[in-house]
Amino acid sequence: NAGVTQTPKFQVLKTGQSMTLQCAQDMNHEYMSWYRQDPGMGLRLIHYSVGAGITDQGEVPNGYNVSRSTTEDFPLRLLSAAPSQTSVYFCASRTFSGNTIYFGEGSWLTVV
Amino acid sequence: DQQVKQNSPSLSVQEGRISILNCDYTNSMFDYFLWYKKYPAEGPTFLISISSIKDKNEDGRFTVFLNKSAKHLSLHIVPSQPGDSAVYFCAARRPMIKAAGNKLTFGGGTRVLVKP
Repeated sequence: NAGVTQTPKFQVLKTGQSMTLQCAQDMNHEYMSWYRQDPGMGLRLIHYSVGAGITDQGEVPNGYNVSRSTTEDFPLRLLSAAPSQTSVYFCASRTFSGNTIYFGEGSWLTVV
Repeated sequence: DQQVKQNSPSLSVQEGRISILNCDYTNSMFDYFLWYKKYPAEGPTFLISISSIKDKNEDGRFTVFLNKSAKHLSLHIVPSQPGDSAVYFCAARRPMIKAAGNKLTFGGGTRVLVKP
């Protein structure tokens, strides 16, 4: 009963480096999304996808890319990391019409 | 422009007493509201929700109240237990539009500490 799985859990990057945060869900959910959590800011939506091959921007998309080649996977790419991207990242999924979002355990990213 | 606000960043309560968490929103289009609970180093987990057609929903020790005219909702935890110590986020959803997939807007969170 894996649910939403994110890797890596912790990562330190140097400014300008690129990396990909992986996200996979085994619940056959159509909708997947990425959030970042910063102190006092709650969870802010970065990108989301309503199905394979379909992605769209959320509130804070700049500096991030996503793709959705399969229903299960929704990776988040940082093309050129900046200190402002130091945050905790959560991947989430739900059925398209469902009300409850299921979150992964989070990925702690530090950009130095 | 924060459409969902939790004005109390933290709350401390004695075990056995009531915890009341508040959440205000500005967008009258929101039609569904949720509360999530988050422990350190874990992802948020769903706690309780309420549709805009209701004014109260209860699940065990947790009750959510919605006052649409005031654009205000609250979460009551009675009685509070030490295991309830966590960060609580309220979230709101607009009616589902097919392409948008009814995204959630989250408040900033309230950290609750329940003292034994």
